[in-house]
Amino acid sequence: GENVEQHPSTLSVQEGDSAVIKCTYSDSASNYFPWYKQELGKGPQLIIDIRSNVGEKKDQRIAVTLNKTAKHFSLHITETQPEDSAVYFCAASPPSGGYQKVTFGTGTKLQVIP
Amino acid sequence: KAGVTQTPRYLIKTRGQQVTLSCSPISGHRSVSWYQQTPGQGLQFLFEYFSETQRNKGNFPGRFSGRQFSNSRSEMNVSTLELGDSALYLCASWGTGVNTEAFFGQGTRLTVV
Repeated sequence: GENVEQHPSTLSVQEGDSAVIKCTYSDSASNYFPWYKQELGKGPQLIIDIRSNVGEKKDQRIAVTLNKTAKHFSLHITETQPEDSAVYFCAASPPSGGYQKVTFGTGTKLQVIP
Repeated sequence: KAGVTQTPRYLIKTRGQQVTLSCSPISGHRSVSWYQQTPGQGLQFLFEYFSETQRNKGNFPGRFSGRQFSNSRSEMNVSTLELGDSALYLCASWGTGVNTEAFFGQGTRLTVV
């Protein structure tokens, strides 16, 4: 099955700096890569996703890049703000024949220092 | 539109007991997945239900079971609790199609003492 590795496990940045979280996946058939943000006391929430026919996607201060050849994808947050502090999960999903088959990474705890 | 509701939010149980957690998905969603979240292990997939049928199951022992009702509400049960079962249990609700957004509840924090 799919295996997703995520690094780093913790990340501290100064407010205004950029943050980068990297993930690798094992199943070359995976074609959907969502990123979720989990704030304290809440469930994860989708913040951005990318599909395998796209190399990069941007949404304001957040961008995701995908390298299918190397089987890795990254989340980039620019101009970080204290409210970006949370746990971020990457995930990969191969074609599943009709059922949900998402494998999550182990999470990155991002701390933005004011 | 109401979100995913999980009850209870917190639970303390003793080793050997059993526990039942509940999840009400977003109205109209028929697919529900359960995950176990522990520090350092991320979100470990337990099982997925669709229209009252288990479609997929993760690598958890048989002590972990679940079911889904005709109104799409789902329950998971853990029998003979172990200390290692202490975790945040998250339920996700999925809309139509695959490779779509998962909507998570706030989770049930289970502590086994």
